[in-house]
Amino acid sequence: QVHLVQSGAEMKKPGASVKVSCKTSGYTFTNYYMHWVRQAPGQGLEWMGIINPSGGSTNYAQKLRDRVTMTRDTSTSTVYMELNSLKSEDTAVYYCARSYDYLDVWGQGTPVTVSS
Amino acid sequence: QSVLTQPPSVSGAPGQRVTISCTGSSSNIGAGLDVHWYQQLPRTAPKLLIHGTTNRPSGVPDRFSGSKSGTSASLAISGLQAEDEANYYCHSYDSSLSGWVFGGGTKLTVL
Repeated sequence: QVHLVQSGAEMKKPGASVKVSCKTSGYTFTNYYMHWVRQAPGQGLEWMGIINPSGGSTNYAQKLRDRVTMTRDTSTSTVYMELNSLKSEDTAVYYCARSYDYLDVWGQGTPVTVSS
Repeated sequence: QSVLTQPPSVSGAPGQRVTISCTGSSSNIGAGLDVHWYQQLPRTAPKLLIHGTTNRPSGVPDRFSGSKSGTSASLAISGLQAEDEANYYCHSYDSSLSGWVFGGGTKLTVL
């Protein structure tokens, strides 16, 4: 079975950075793109960006382009999402989701809380 | 303000049929780009419900169906069941933004 297992909950102060991991198994890592999606408390889904695990190319949402970095480690079949200069508005659950055009498998989510 | 517009809420009695609309523009749905739908139960990750506008993944009941016309797409749920109470999101690519977008989400209440 395909599994996406994300790292645990994080608590950060404003201005800090957070790096969330998404370890994959059960499929060929480089054959599928990976998206990152976040959901603020009580709000809808927000697309953050996409990474191609094969070559590492990325495309980020305009709103986050100057603060987000997505990377991958092909040796461990893991993708990472790092968000810098955290603000209280970045408090959300962060999801990785495998893409075959549509998002067919999702990670369990990583809660990130930004508070002073 | 989402690029894809959904009604905030819909409701229906058990056994009834409801539809959820997703209105876009010429840079996404109207450009012929596929629409996908996800169901999110409380405190869980979203689950793929419909892909490529009309296709159901294995395991999704045929009570769920998708369609598209012009710049809008719709998700129809027939034979409503209590377990269908959830939030539903549409999803597509937007060529003007050069990125993916979600609808704002629709909360379905089964009366």
